[in-house]
Amino acid sequence: DIQMTQSPSSLSASVGDRVTITCRASQGISNSLAWYQQKPGKAPKLLLYAASRLESGVPSRFSGSGSGTDYTLTISSLQPEDFATYYCQQYYSTPFTFGPGTKVDIK
Amino acid sequence: QLQLQESGPGLVKPSETLSLTCTVSGGSISSSSYYWGWIRQPPGKGLEWIGSIYYSGSTYYNPSLKSRVTISVDTSKNQFSLKLSSVTAADTAVYYCARIPEWELLLDYWGQGTLVTVSS
Repeated sequence: DIQMTQSPSSLSASVGDRVTITCRASQGISNSLAWYQQKPGKAPKLLLYAASRLESGVPSRFSGSGSGTDYTLTISSLQPEDFATYYCQQYYSTPFTFGPGTKVDIK
Repeated sequence: QLQLQESGPGLVKPSETLSLTCTVSGGSISSSSYYWGWIRQPPGKGLEWIGSIYYSGSTYYNPSLKSRVTISVDTSKNQFSLKLSSVTAADTAVYYCARIPEWELLLDYWGQGTLVTVSS
């Protein structure tokens, strides 16, 4: 199985801050990576796929980058509605696996 | 607008079988472009991919659960279902159903999730 790690596990930030979350795979996943946002009591929401492609309707302040084993989710200017937990997921090989999540809360 | 809705018992006894159904509305489960999947999330923990099914009945199961999982599809009702046998407290989780585009094997539409507690 491909193991996914994320860092940091949590962070505190202010509205307007630039936030970066890192996801690392235990082996190369050829950009087969998705990012999800989950708010308490809600289902995850797809933000980006193929490492850097923005899902329809997702604000452009969200962006993704990376290659090989290392990927990044960036929120360029954190908004109040962005406080949530973020998960990465690899779909390069089965079983598809998720990172443990990064919780973004208010400083 | 596509919608998915999980249904089933919220409480299951240890050693029994957990059974959930996902009803799809606003789109056809028989579309050749999508798989349909189940994911779970124990309280306060991360996400685990349980398995997926194509409208033809072709399935994929996570090897960690394969011996206990069955996913089936009923195209006449636009539903797919999950059965997880011999449950223990470790199977207590929010169970989600979701749509999976065949060209990018991610989860683009999710149900709201349903909490299943395993307890006597």
